[in-house]
Amino acid sequence: QVQLQESGPGLVKPSETLSLTCTVSSGSVSSHSYYWSWIRQPPGKGLEWIGYIYYSGSTNYNPSLKSRVTISIDTSRDQFSLKLSSVTAADTAVYYCARAQWLRFDSWGQGTLVTVSS
Amino acid sequence: QSVLTQPPSVSGAPGQRVTISCTGSSSNIGAGYDVHWYQQLPGTVPKLLIYGNTNRPSGVPDRFSGSKSGTSASLGITGLQAEDEADYYCQSYDSSLSGFCVFGSGTKVTVL
Repeated sequence: QVQLQESGPGLVKPSETLSLTCTVSSGSVSSHSYYWSWIRQPPGKGLEWIGYIYYSGSTNYNPSLKSRVTISIDTSRDQFSLKLSSVTAADTAVYYCARAQWLRFDSWGQGTLVTVSS
Repeated sequence: QSVLTQPPSVSGAPGQRVTISCTGSSSNIGAGYDVHWYQQLPGTVPKLLIYGNTNRPSGVPDRFSGSKSGTSASLGITGLQAEDEADYYCQSYDSSLSGFCVFGSGTKVTVL
């Protein structure tokens, strides 16, 4: 059973860049069958898809975040990463990494809360 | 404002049936893209509940069912149980702009 684990700072200052990494175990990000995704959930609110990356490095981002988002992949470490620039308080959320197959998210990390505050 | 619209809340007594609607448009559900449903129990990670409009992953009780018609989809829960109290989200793909995944606004199910 694949496992995903998010890591990164829990506190980011406004206008700075949020950086998170997802480590995949009992599976490989090099698999041709899956896309590797980031999803977030502001406190008390719904889910928002941020974007995904394929093993080849091809990406697709939420149009509402596209100008600020970069997702990258490191197949040698079975990791993929999220960078979100120019953050504001509105970016405070639990950030999940997830595996997608056929555009459905079948495995999720436990999530990590990132707070944007000075 | 989500591309996929769900009712904010639904409720029912134990044993009853409830349904949750997910209304989209011609660029997502109506374009033929599959609808998937997730259950998020309080304080937990979302879990895939229904995939490909009607299919249940292994371990999901057959009390949960999904359907799709036109630009909408529905999740049905029969024999409602206290443990079903959770938030439910639909999810699909939208072909507008460069194409993107989209979640519904979420529905809170309350067991009375």
